[in-house]
Amino acid sequence: GQQLNQSPQSMFIQEGEDVSMNCTSSSIFNTWLWYKQDPGEGPVLLIALYKAGELTSNGRLTAQFGITRKDSFLNISASIPSDVGIYFCAGHESGGSNYKLTFGKGTLLTVNP
Amino acid sequence: EAGVAQSPRYKIIEKRQSVAFWCNPISGHATLYWYQQILGQGPKLLIQFQNNGVVDDSQLPKDRFSAERLKGVDSTLKIQPAKLEDSAVYLCASSLDSGGEQFFGPGTRLTVL
Repeated sequence: GQQLNQSPQSMFIQEGEDVSMNCTSSSIFNTWLWYKQDPGEGPVLLIALYKAGELTSNGRLTAQFGITRKDSFLNISASIPSDVGIYFCAGHESGGSNYKLTFGKGTLLTVNP
Repeated sequence: EAGVAQSPRYKIIEKRQSVAFWCNPISGHATLYWYQQILGQGPKLLIQFQNNGVVDDSQLPKDRFSAERLKGVDSTLKIQPAKLEDSAVYLCASSLDSGGEQFFGPGTRLTVL
């Protein structure tokens, strides 16, 4: 099945720094989603993108739907300790049925206070 | 509003034993999903229900995994017999309808020894 390439695998940053992570696919996606997963919890939706070129913000988070529809990035500005967690990209593949979500492997973010 | 409930939260069994997981979705959500999340990976869809009917079970290992949602509300996922490679977190999610935002439960962490 389709795989999403998410990078980097992990990041270790200082509090206050900005963070950027991205996701690419070999096929076109209709929707790009970014989730955060805390230890022992299920993923929680952060941002949803529905149109190529769309740029959406949610507080300190900004995400963009690539114009080729094969990539997306997530930026976190002025990181704080509670940003620690695993960030997943996910998407609905164009032409796919049943709105099946495909997830990336995740980016583990560690923020040093 | 109550979230997606799952039980048990943790389960340890020996290989070849059977195990069952339970999920109670958010009230009114027609679509229910079971995902398998292996350590270091993103969630992988096992099965999707729309009310009490199966929409997609293409990635469910049907020789050992089964799932049901008899009354279109609660759902159970069973593994019989378990293998070592079944060790993972099993996440349940629900959405108002197919394509809607998916809300995840906390998951059941299964360890097969």
